[in-house]
Amino acid sequence: DIVMTQSPGSLTLSLGERATIKCKSSQSVLYKSNNKNYLAWYQQKPGQSPKLLFYWASTRQSGVPDRFSGSGSGTDFTLTINSLQAEDVAVYYCQEYYTTRHTFGQGTKLQIK
Amino acid sequence: DVQLVESGGGLVQPGGSLRLSCAASKFTFNAFWMSWVRQRPGKGLEFVAHIKEDASEKYYVDSVKGRFIISRDNAENSLYLQMDGLRVEDTAVYYCARGGRDTQYQFFEFWGQGAPVTVSS
Repeated sequence: DIVMTQSPGSLTLSLGERATIKCKSSQSVLYKSNNKNYLAWYQQKPGQSPKLLFYWASTRQSGVPDRFSGSGSGTDFTLTINSLQAEDVAVYYCQEYYTTRHTFGQGTKLQIK
Repeated sequence: DVQLVESGGGLVQPGGSLRLSCAASKFTFNAFWMSWVRQRPGKGLEFVAHIKEDASEKYYVDSVKGRFIISRDNAENSLYLQMDGLRVEDTAVYYCARGGRDTQYQFFEFWGQGAPVTVSS
């Protein structure tokens, strides 16, 4: 089974700062035949359902502000949020869909000082 | 816009049963894999089960195998999760999510609002 490990577990930053969230998979989620990373990022705000931010590791979902970016390949991935806004307070999850199990990371809680 | 609306959650005693439903609309339901994802109180997201467009393939997380059954009715645009032998650790909010078209190896683009399930005596 693939294990998805996110770091840090929580993050407290000031408005306007940059947030960097890491996700590491225990095995590669890069499918070589199509050169795609089967990795998604979700944002879950308090009291809401998860919302898709990125798929294929770096493809931004429609409507997601461009201060959000996704990067990485193979086993190491990063979600970056530039110029933090108050509305970015949420828990962020990575997820692999390379396997049937669709394993999620444990989440990173982002708070604003 | 795509809509997924769960229902059927509630309070049940350990060992009891519950059936969750998810009503889908505004997309071609029978063209997509559908999934259930749960979130225990204060915890992260956990994939529970998913089902192919024609129900010919189903997959479950190990912890629910033999107790939960995922099914769908394409004529009714509905997804179901029959939960038997419920345990305290099944307490969670259960989300219905849309998977991929013609593939199970897809992200979850749309989610329902969630159905809370509490297993307690």
